[in-house]
Amino acid sequence: AQSVTQPDIHITVSEGASLELRCNYSYGATPYLFWYVQSPGQGLQLLLKYFSGDTLVQGIKGFEAEFKRSQSSFNLRKPSVHWSDAAEYFCAVSPPFGGNNRKLIWGLGTSLAVNP
Amino acid sequence: ETGVTQSPTHLIKTRGQQVTLRCSSQSGHNTVSWYQQALGQGPQFIFQYYREEENGRGNFPPRFSGLQFPNYSSELNVNALELDDSALYLCASSFDSSGTSGYNEQFFGPGTRLTVL
Repeated sequence: AQSVTQPDIHITVSEGASLELRCNYSYGATPYLFWYVQSPGQGLQLLLKYFSGDTLVQGIKGFEAEFKRSQSSFNLRKPSVHWSDAAEYFCAVSPPFGGNNRKLIWGLGTSLAVNP
Repeated sequence: ETGVTQSPTHLIKTRGQQVTLRCSSQSGHNTVSWYQQALGQGPQFIFQYYREEENGRGNFPPRFSGLQFPNYSSELNVNALELDDSALYLCASSFDSSGTSGYNEQFFGPGTRLTVL
């Protein structure tokens, strides 16, 4: 079955520290891969996406993610976390083809807290 | 450019009632997707509308239905509300040139928080 796993439910880091949020997927083919951020009272915002090509993708707000086919992973990283990065982070996948399966499949999310 | 808007922001209903949630898509977008996000969970795909037709559906019962209007705004209707329907309902719009693409970026609204008592 198609699924997305985010192993860390909650992570706390200190401001200025580096961050890595994990995402693993189970899919028949390499899907399209996404990271979204959700802040309280706000809609989901796309941080970055991977479709093909260079496996290291750059996103907004200083985030990057690396696709590793052998590990079925798409981990999100940031070298130096800011207090404003505290939010819920979701990894999602979408089928790499059209038809009736264009839905996004989501992980359960990782809640990030940032200590001053 | 106006983003995706949803109304109402919050809603309280009782079991058995019916509810209608509304979504205005971003200017230039022709596709609307609806998601249900229960507390502490990731969003679950309900269905998608493309050019006023349902264009994909998740694992939700028929009492979840929708509409898309000529201006591409959309409604989500839920009949016979159950306690488990309490959730944040998210609308996302995108532009799809053919109705078959799986990768157009979806822009999300802030959601409608539905509480069923």
